[in-house]
Amino acid sequence: GAVVSQHPSRVICKSGTSVKIECRSLDFQATTMFWYRQFPKQSLMLMATSNEGSKATYEQGVEKDKFLINHASLTLSTLTVTSAHPEDSSFYICSATGIPTNYGYTFGSGTRLTVV
Amino acid sequence: AQSVSQHNHHVILSEAASLELGCNYSYGGTVNLFWYVQYPGQHLQLLLKYFSGDPLVKGIKGFEAEFIKSKFSFNLRKPSVQWSDTAEYFCAVNAGNDYKLSFGAGTTVTVRA
Repeated sequence: GAVVSQHPSRVICKSGTSVKIECRSLDFQATTMFWYRQFPKQSLMLMATSNEGSKATYEQGVEKDKFLINHASLTLSTLTVTSAHPEDSSFYICSATGIPTNYGYTFGSGTRLTVV
Repeated sequence: AQSVSQHNHHVILSEAASLELGCNYSYGGTVNLFWYVQYPGQHLQLLLKYFSGDPLVKGIKGFEAEFIKSKFSFNLRKPSVQWSDTAEYFCAVNAGNDYKLSFGAGTTVTVRA
């Protein structure tokens, strides 16, 4: 079945630095990718939607200059958390849909970001 | 925008007990409905989905869900749970013409051996 690989699974960074999270579709073309943020004991909150080759569409309240999303190819999307602060610590999950996944969504394994 | 509510935050039950998790959504148009499971330390996995047709949907691992349009509900059921069903369960909805998924808050299911 469709597989999405997300790396790294865990990252610890210092305040003020930037962190890049990668999301790759391994056996299908991900025309659309989604980035979510999950707080402890809470649901997944959609941060942004990206279509291959286009600028990402951010949800209300999500700072696009802080959470940079690039979806340059049909198999790779990246989320860069710039100038990270402790409040950015969270679990980030990517999801992809495309061809030929029959309109299904495949999720990455998530990245636990800790900013110290 | 659609919203999704899951009524149970944490469910604890014994092996072989029956499970039903509630899910309601608010959107008047055509919807696609999903149930995902997240086992401890693992990523979200699709249990089942409903797009159209038979409102009773059978998924993996013995799970099923019933879409009741008049009640805006998509409850998940399993007749007899196992210890390995311990996980977080999420209901998700998207409008028929929108790729965005809206998730419920999730229900933690703990199955005691």
